[in-house]
Amino acid sequence: SQQGEEDPQALSIQEGENATMNCSYKTSINNLQWYRQNSGRGLVHLILIRSNEREKHSGRLRVTLDTSKKSSSLLITASRAADTASYFCATDTGNTPLVFGKGTRLSVIA
Amino acid sequence: EAGVAQSPRYKIIEKRQSVAFWCNPISGHATLYWYQQILGQGPKLLIQFQNNGVVDDSQLPKDRFSAERLKGVDSTLKIQPAKLEDSAVYLCASSPAAFSGEQYFGPGTRLTVT
Repeated sequence: SQQGEEDPQALSIQEGENATMNCSYKTSINNLQWYRQNSGRGLVHLILIRSNEREKHSGRLRVTLDTSKKSSSLLITASRAADTASYFCATDTGNTPLVFGKGTRLSVIA
Repeated sequence: EAGVAQSPRYKIIEKRQSVAFWCNPISGHATLYWYQQILGQGPKLLIQFQNNGVVDDSQLPKDRFSAERLKGVDSTLKIQPAKLEDSAVYLCASSPAAFSGEQYFGPGTRLTVT
């Protein structure tokens, strides 16, 4: 069963703009992770945020976590054509496997 | 550091045939995962190994799917017999520890069942 639900399902922006993707989940979590998947490739880990953290940065990525709303957002600033990919959130409860959402398909137009 | 290796990259078979996928995880990673990713969906865990023992196989269709991780390193996933709905990308991932932290994914095997 899917734990995380990303929103929107698809997003198209111009190069240089910011992209924001959201993830909502149903049960209490231990960690939330974001992964990127380029077409025809495996997933690449982007960032992990723990349940006691509210915000985390990595380069052009900013992730927030609101455990009271059971939601997270991924912000990509100054997007590039190379950011075109599917983005997935994944959650775990500490002693259960990761559960992935259906993903957001991001298209960055040059 | 070498990444997770998978083979083959692509496979086309007819329904009711059998197929096997191979995965070599990152050296030293104790935990190995097999995921099924249907087009337009996120990966779904099929089975998780810790060394050569099974940690979770609750979503593995055991009537047709089997997996093993002999000697706690390489792993194979087999489907016998295949059905049309098995068409998907099969992803292998590994991690140093179970249940937390980053997972490292291989490129996947795209299976088409006709």
